[in-house]
Amino acid sequence: AQKITQTQPGMFVQEKEAVTLDCTYDTSDPSYGLFWYKQPSSGEMIFLIYQGSYDQQNATEGRYSLNFQKARKSANLVISASQLGDSAMYFCAMREVVRTGANSKLTFGKGITLSVRP
Amino acid sequence: GAGVSQSPSNKVTEKGKDVELRCDPISGHTALYWYRQSLGQGLEFLIYFQGNSAPDKSGLPSDRFSAERTGGSVSTLTIQRTQQEDSAVYLCASSSASGANTGELFFGEGSRLTVL
Repeated sequence: AQKITQTQPGMFVQEKEAVTLDCTYDTSDPSYGLFWYKQPSSGEMIFLIYQGSYDQQNATEGRYSLNFQKARKSANLVISASQLGDSAMYFCAMREVVRTGANSKLTFGKGITLSVRP
Repeated sequence: GAGVSQSPSNKVTEKGKDVELRCDPISGHTALYWYRQSLGQGLEFLIYFQGNSAPDKSGLPSDRFSAERTGGSVSTLTIQRTQQEDSAVYLCASSSASGANTGELFFGEGSRLTVL
C-alpha cells in the first residue's frame, strides 16, 4: 500500500488565486511528520513546510499553509496568492517513527505538477 | 560551499560499466539519504545513513547497488554493471538529527546518470 498518495492530475491556477494540492497518507504510527517540497524545472528540491502529527495548529509559512486533518489522514498544501514562480512539481512526504535525536527516511508521493497562468 | 554537493552532475556510461556517484553532505549533518528520480516521477528511496548506526538499505533495487559513507561524512553510491533502467537523477540529501523533529532534508542538485 502506498504510504503517500497524490492523485491529482496536473493542476492549473490563475495568478493571484489560491490553490490546494491534495495529499493523503497511511501510517499506523502515532508519531510522524509531514513535509511538502517544491521542485521547479531546474530540478532542485526546496523545502516548503512541515507538520508534526502532534501539532495542534496547522502549519503556515508565508503563502503556504498545510490543511492537516489527522482523522482523515490528509495533509493538503494551500498556496495563497499564486505567483508565476510557483509553477513546479510539488511533493508530499512523510517521516514515520520520529524519535528525539534521530531521523528516519522520508517517503515521497509521486508529486503534482502545478502550472500558474498569467 | 555550505550546501550538499554532488558529483558528477552528469554521467553518461555504457551498459555494463560501473559508476560511482559522490555526495558531500552539509557539515555536521549526521543523516544522509540517497534517492532516485526517473524522468517526471517521484523520489524513490534508496538508502539512508544515520550516524554510526547500520544503514537502512531497504530501498536498494538490486545487489548491483551499494553505498558507503566514510568517516560519517562523504558518501559514495556505486552501481555495478549498469543497465538502461538505471538511467535517472540520483539525489543526495542530508539532515541534522539534533533535537528537532522537523529534520528537513537539504538536497543536492543531483547526478544525472544516462546509461546507453
